[in-house]
Amino acid sequence: GAGVSQSPRYKVTKRGQDVALRCDPISGHVSLYWYRQALGQGPEFLTYFNYEAQQDKSGLPNDRFSAERPEGSISTLTIQRTEQRDSAMYRCASSFSRTGNTYEQYFGPGTRLTVT
Amino acid sequence: AQSVAQPEDQVNVAEGNPLTVKCTYSVSGNPYLFWYVQYPNRGLQFLLKYITGDNLVKGSYGFEAEFNKSQTSFHLKKPSALVSDSALYFCAVLTARQLTFGSGTQLTVLP
Repeated sequence: GAGVSQSPRYKVTKRGQDVALRCDPISGHVSLYWYRQALGQGPEFLTYFNYEAQQDKSGLPNDRFSAERPEGSISTLTIQRTEQRDSAMYRCASSFSRTGNTYEQYFGPGTRLTVT
Repeated sequence: AQSVAQPEDQVNVAEGNPLTVKCTYSVSGNPYLFWYVQYPNRGLQFLLKYITGDNLVKGSYGFEAEFNKSQTSFHLKKPSALVSDSALYFCAVLTARQLTFGSGTQLTVLP
């Protein structure tokens, strides 16, 4: 079946512009996660949702970052007034269970963001 | 706070030989541990997990991992490496629905 999809796969933007990154989770998965991965590092948690409710946004680095999942399926991560330090791979993941008892998260291919 | 350490940035092994990729963790309470593999230009793929039960867990593609509570380790193993196993491997621990990853180990299997 279809896995997690993300779009765009690559995004180049100028400093100061806003960007929106999209994630489409596996059908039926109720939990959705966003991570950021710098080159040569492991992914770092940003935020997660159960259905449409944002449960934890403790990993968002500052108030320029926001995320939503209005209908409990597709999610958008928005970065306002981008800065060069925002350049990274942004990864989305989903998991089946709201209570977390399937535990493993399935990742999409990521969006490579470059801020010039 | 939870943390994961992968002490080797790079592991090289000859095809057909056994491989081990090391991981140690630090977490309060019972650890939920995972291994993921990342191929170039692709997402992270789930390999296996330890939640509870048998200390030796088996996963995809012939990989297995051994949980050792006293050594706080969760090393990834495979009895006979394939060239196609060459990739970047990440160990992770799950706490409060967040995965905390190690920095990754690049595995190269030499033909």
